[in-house]
Amino acid sequence: GAVVSQHPSRVICKSGTSVKIECRSLDFQATTMFWYRQFPKQSLMLMATSNEGSKATYEQGVEKDKFLINHASLTLSTLTVTSAHPEDSSFYICSATRRDRRHEQYFGPGTRLTVT
Amino acid sequence: QKEVEQNSGPLSVPEGAIASLNCTYSDRGSQSFFWYRQYSGKSPELIMFIYSNGDKEDGRFTAQLNKASQYVSLLIRDSQPSDSATYLCAVIRLVFGAGTILRVKS
Repeated sequence: GAVVSQHPSRVICKSGTSVKIECRSLDFQATTMFWYRQFPKQSLMLMATSNEGSKATYEQGVEKDKFLINHASLTLSTLTVTSAHPEDSSFYICSATRRDRRHEQYFGPGTRLTVT
Repeated sequence: QKEVEQNSGPLSVPEGAIASLNCTYSDRGSQSFFWYRQYSGKSPELIMFIYSNGDKEDGRFTAQLNKASQYVSLLIRDSQPSDSATYLCAVIRLVFGAGTILRVKS
């Protein structure tokens, strides 16, 4: 159990366009979902925390108007990178916690975004 | 000072040896500690978590926590080439260290 999927796994887009990344918990209800970004040879950096039905909480330095997060249900959260630029190219990873195991985070496989 | 610090490595150990990975943290209030393994191009996967001082063993893996000294370590016994990966230490709120690259030589 505790499987998290992400779609798409890879995406290439042109500068100025928007890209939506989906994160789904397949076999459990996720009380909280997290979005991370990882640049090459660097560690994961938390971007935002989202709870179902409420606004996401963004980490310092992350633009909420650029990285739109929607947590519409207990199994789905989306991250939309608006007006993407080459510097947004990164590995975006979501994770989710279960209601009964709040301290364990289950990670999705990640989405490789390349902005040309 | 970073909240979570790890030696970036690479740490090279021969196959069959014990790999010892260390992590220090700055927040004395940290209560939960996690070790994740991340293969290149993949997302992290949880190996172990530990909450209490002392050792916690799971198969070939042993996590050690010393809250007084503010460090947590991961021991991998009988290291295998398939253990070669980046190991991330994390504390509650999941503030990640930069990771330690482990290479197990066959």
